[in-house]
Amino acid sequence: DTEVTQTPKHLVMGMTNKKSLKCEQHMGHRAMYWYKQKAKKPPELMFVYSYEKLSINESVPSRFSPECPNSSLLNLHLHALQPEDSALYLCASSPRQGATANEKLFFGSGTQLSVL
Amino acid sequence: AQSVTQPDIHITVSEGASLELRCNYSYGATPYLFWYVQSPGQGLQLLLKYFSGDTLVQGIKGFEAEFKRSQSSFNLRKPSVHWSDAAEYFCAVGPPGGVAGGGNKLTFGTGTQLKVEL
Repeated sequence: DTEVTQTPKHLVMGMTNKKSLKCEQHMGHRAMYWYKQKAKKPPELMFVYSYEKLSINESVPSRFSPECPNSSLLNLHLHALQPEDSALYLCASSPRQGATANEKLFFGSGTQLSVL
Repeated sequence: AQSVTQPDIHITVSEGASLELRCNYSYGATPYLFWYVQSPGQGLQLLLKYFSGDTLVQGIKGFEAEFKRSQSSFNLRKPSVHWSDAAEYFCAVGPPGGVAGGGNKLTFGTGTQLKVEL
């Protein structure tokens, strides 16, 4: 299995809603990532988890709350989002082969989020 | 701070023609370099990567890229484009020596949208 699976594929939510995005991989990868991509823009890193611990937070607003319950799962909890948070949210994973590894990332197909 | 520049926002080529997508980077040292492709509404797929060694790297789908240190460039090429190559192409750099705490931290260029005329 060489896939990163994201659910749901599409999500529409109001500004007062609470929702979660889910990401799953079964490649034994120990680093997982959340990226945000606005239309016609490059992906921007939000969070990195390494061995289920948060290693990078790119100064993301607290209305985005990541969670890594185990080595295969990565969640992004959403609360009180703004319309400008509408974007494609991409999950990725990489093997995390060592402290100095510069690894290729495997991306999921994303969740297209619309905040009304 | 590191940066990646893709000077061409859009490129249109005829099917069967050759292709070159440009990528220039600004970094304190030679970074690790990647090319990714993204179809509409999809995630990113790695085409190829350069870490060290031979400066001409081969990737999937018939793509290749050449690292030129003197020009700080990592241009993507394909000898004969197929209609299915139409997509968005992103060049990305990662810090040499990895990231403290593990994983990677890619910086992406703004992308080049490739259209293929039949």
